[in-house]
Amino acid sequence: QSALTQPASVSGSPGQSITISCTGTSSGVVDYNYISWYQQHPGKAPTLIIYEVSNRPSGVPDRFSGSKSGNTASLTISGLQAEDEADYYCSSHTSSNVVFGGGTRLTVL
Amino acid sequence: QVQLQESGPGLVKPSQTLSLTCSVSGGSISSAGHYWSWIRQHPGKGLEWIGYISYILYSGSTYYNPSLQSRVTISLDTSRHQFSLRLSSVTAADTAVYYCARELGLCSGGSCYRQYFFDQWGQGTLVTVSS
Repeated sequence: QSALTQPASVSGSPGQSITISCTGTSSGVVDYNYISWYQQHPGKAPTLIIYEVSNRPSGVPDRFSGSKSGNTASLTISGLQAEDEADYYCSSHTSSNVVFGGGTRLTVL
Repeated sequence: QVQLQESGPGLVKPSQTLSLTCSVSGGSISSAGHYWSWIRQHPGKGLEWIGYISYILYSGSTYYNPSLQSRVTISLDTSRHQFSLRLSSVTAADTAVYYCARELGLCSGGSCYRQYFFDQWGQGTLVTVSS
């Protein structure tokens, strides 16, 4: 069982907004501001889209945003586009270990 | 722009040692505050962090996922701009796509601190454990 719980799947239509949650199941996992999010298209390596809860690396569209409240982090994608269809993983740490959520499959209808 | 590329055998026999190398280009592997990691992904599953090595004081400092610690060794070859993974006593459960990745730390006042995110990844290499 992952220390971070994500919904297995979410879906939305083009132009809509969706939110993917990431809840810490172990004490302290989501306490720190070291939440990151990754996008992974089939057969490709993950790419960083959010770091430190809400920061976007250069080149990531501002349609992607991150937030945290208590023990739950969230990734919101606004103005959904067909190319957003992918798997999304949240990540944090426990002590010195990096932990990942189980991943969420986003389907753009 | 730093680029990473994994290489190594795609097939390993059970009980043997899996060995992979990650070649780093476009940046220095001995830069302070860089934590060179291995991450794997079982077929159709999520991501699992294996461990990292960081170049500190002319040698490598490592930390491994406790669940794999007894079988994992990560090493650094600065002259070849490479870091490597060795995973011993493999079983079918070690079949996965293995990624190398860079974790960026934050350095201040002579000390560096991890930030626990991976900004650069290799393309990944599938390793199958089978006789």
